[in-house]
Amino acid sequence: QKEVEQNSGPLSVPEGAIASLNCTYSDRGSQSFFWYRQYSGKSPELIMFIYSNGDKEDGRFTAQLNKASQYVSLLIRDSQPSDSATYLCAVFGGNTGFQKLVFGTGTRLLVSP
Amino acid sequence: NAGVTQTPKFRILKIGQSMTLQCTQDMNHNYMYWYRQDPGMGLKLIYYSVGAGITDKGEVPNGYNVSRSTTEDFPLRLELAAPSQTSVYFCASSYPDSAYNEQFFGPGTRLTVL
Repeated sequence: QKEVEQNSGPLSVPEGAIASLNCTYSDRGSQSFFWYRQYSGKSPELIMFIYSNGDKEDGRFTAQLNKASQYVSLLIRDSQPSDSATYLCAVFGGNTGFQKLVFGTGTRLLVSP
Repeated sequence: NAGVTQTPKFRILKIGQSMTLQCTQDMNHNYMYWYRQDPGMGLKLIYYSVGAGITDKGEVPNGYNVSRSTTEDFPLRLELAAPSQTSVYFCASSYPDSAYNEQFFGPGTRLTVL
């Protein structure tokens, strides 16, 4: 079982729709959860982080965390073509010594005009 | 404040050659990291450092070496380059914090080994 799993996509949504990106993780000791956006040929940039169960909203983005189900998601409301990118889920903290950031393989999002 | 900078941006190596990828950060971060990202894949941790003089292996350290003589610099050395090391390399840095560990990434180095 992979430590952090994401559907590779692509996830295609029309402009203005809600995009829902999902991520599951295996280490129950994980403490913090991050969503990075990566445009093609560029480096990852942090867009959201969450470490408490429930929802966290920041503008058009909402991160949702359910530690019991080991599940974290990212909702993007009013999706724009500029949101087209790969979204990497990353999980921090756990039971394996040095608390490193473990990345999923990413979900590619395509927003069509 | 330049953040995390990496040089070179691109490099082509022949099999068996060696090179050093440079990474510098000006945010006074203690923690620094080297990742590689293969096409369609997530980032894999190569080496990390928790401060000057302290380094340790990540998930995929074979074929690489690092040093950390200053807080700012964390170079990655490739010895005897192999085609399997063709990848994009990202350096990152962060403050240590047990609950919140945002990592700031450099622009990356695209390396091809032929």
